[in-house]
Amino acid sequence: DAGVIQSPRHEVTEMGQEVTLRCKPISGHDYLFWYRQTMMRGLELLIYFNNNVPIDDSGMPEDRFSAKMPNASFSTLKIQPSEPRDSAVYFCASTLTGGSPLHFGNGTRLTVT
Amino acid sequence: QKEVEQNSGPLSVPEGAIASLNCTYSDRGSQSFFWYRQYSGKSPELIMFIYSNGDKEDGRFTAQLNKASQYVSLLIRDSQPSDSATYLCAVNQAGTALIFGKGTTLSVSS
Repeated sequence: DAGVIQSPRHEVTEMGQEVTLRCKPISGHDYLFWYRQTMMRGLELLIYFNNNVPIDDSGMPEDRFSAKMPNASFSTLKIQPSEPRDSAVYFCASTLTGGSPLHFGNGTRLTVT
Repeated sequence: QKEVEQNSGPLSVPEGAIASLNCTYSDRGSQSFFWYRQYSGKSPELIMFIYSNGDKEDGRFTAQLNKASQYVSLLIRDSQPSDSATYLCAVNQAGTALIFGKGTTLSVSS
């Protein structure tokens, strides 16, 4: 099993640019989560999907953030336009069932200058 | 708002000692409890999970859960320098997302 795969590993962009982060969950996992981690705020939930359907997006900071899961093996998190305060590590995680442990990807370190 | 609280640390212990990490949570409906370890620059990795009141042991690690007090702890026996990391406590209800604490940094000195 390849685990949760995220791309890119690092992203450096200028303020105002569009950023797209990608995630491939573990095959067969029904839940997919997007988290953001900063020193100040720790690991924050942005949004999660169950069977490709968004269940809770209350953690999405504002309308500049959007997430999609067009099929069971792929999800994107898009920021448009990006701002310096969006700089963080973004993690994707998946799990088989609700209440089960999460399996994290390696994360995408985003820097917005 | 559901919250998970941890002391940020750093918690410093000598090699071979017992490290005790604590976590409290606000949601009485929480059903699942997890401890993750995160090395600097890496992603969180699962150490243990516990669902029922009491203790659960796995090697050098013991998780303790007290739902009445809304308290979870992790004990690390015979601490090693390789245990130096940030430890994240996480809780959830069935079918919902894990809510994480901000983590406790552990430093084990040789």
